[in-house]
Amino acid sequence: KAGVTQTPRYLIKTRGQQVTLSCSPISGHRSVSWYQQTPGQGLQFLFEYFSETQRNKGNFPGRFSGRQFSNSRSEMNVSTLELGDSALYLCASSLDGVWNSPLHFGNGTRLTVT
Amino acid sequence: GNSVTQMEGPVTLSEEAFLTINCTYTATGYPSLFWYVQYPGEGLQLLLKATKADDKGSNKGFEATYRKETTSFHLEKGSVQVSDSAVYFCALSDPDGGATNKLIFGTGTLLAVQP
Repeated sequence: KAGVTQTPRYLIKTRGQQVTLSCSPISGHRSVSWYQQTPGQGLQFLFEYFSETQRNKGNFPGRFSGRQFSNSRSEMNVSTLELGDSALYLCASSLDGVWNSPLHFGNGTRLTVT
Repeated sequence: GNSVTQMEGPVTLSEEAFLTINCTYTATGYPSLFWYVQYPGEGLQLLLKATKADDKGSNKGFEATYRKETTSFHLEKGSVQVSDSAVYFCALSDPDGGATNKLIFGTGTLLAVQP
């Protein structure tokens, strides 16, 4: 069974631009979450989607948004990029979205903002 | 609020040494606890989990016991290998967070095992 797939693996953008990251969960998984990983702040929760509905959102500005499609694939978008948005963005999926279901992570998208 | 505290790294050990990585938590409810491992250039992989007090999670020689009285979930392995070198994250999921599948992570502990 294929794991969680994130594309692209690497992105370089300049300040003020916007970016879209993509995530394909494990087949059959209905919950998709996004996390930001930085050396200074560690792993921080961005948002979680279940059956195309956002169920929870972390403490990030409105520039960060996401969506989930009917096939459970998800995208996240960051508008008006800032230098501080440089990070590894990790997507994770779980089968049923139950609160203590294990998360399965992709290898991430490394975003560099210059 | 909910939080997870891990021991600072890096932890440097020789092959076959005993490993302990300390993890304590603060939670309003009765959380489930997890250990995840991240190898260089990769995402996180679930190592083990425990869902209630006194549960012991185990996998690949690693163990951790959910201790409610000390709010701890320390990771242990009797004999580490070079291939265990990675960053280890302790995490919790709290049902009081509502209908959501959200993890709160510790800062991670880098383990370096030398041959």
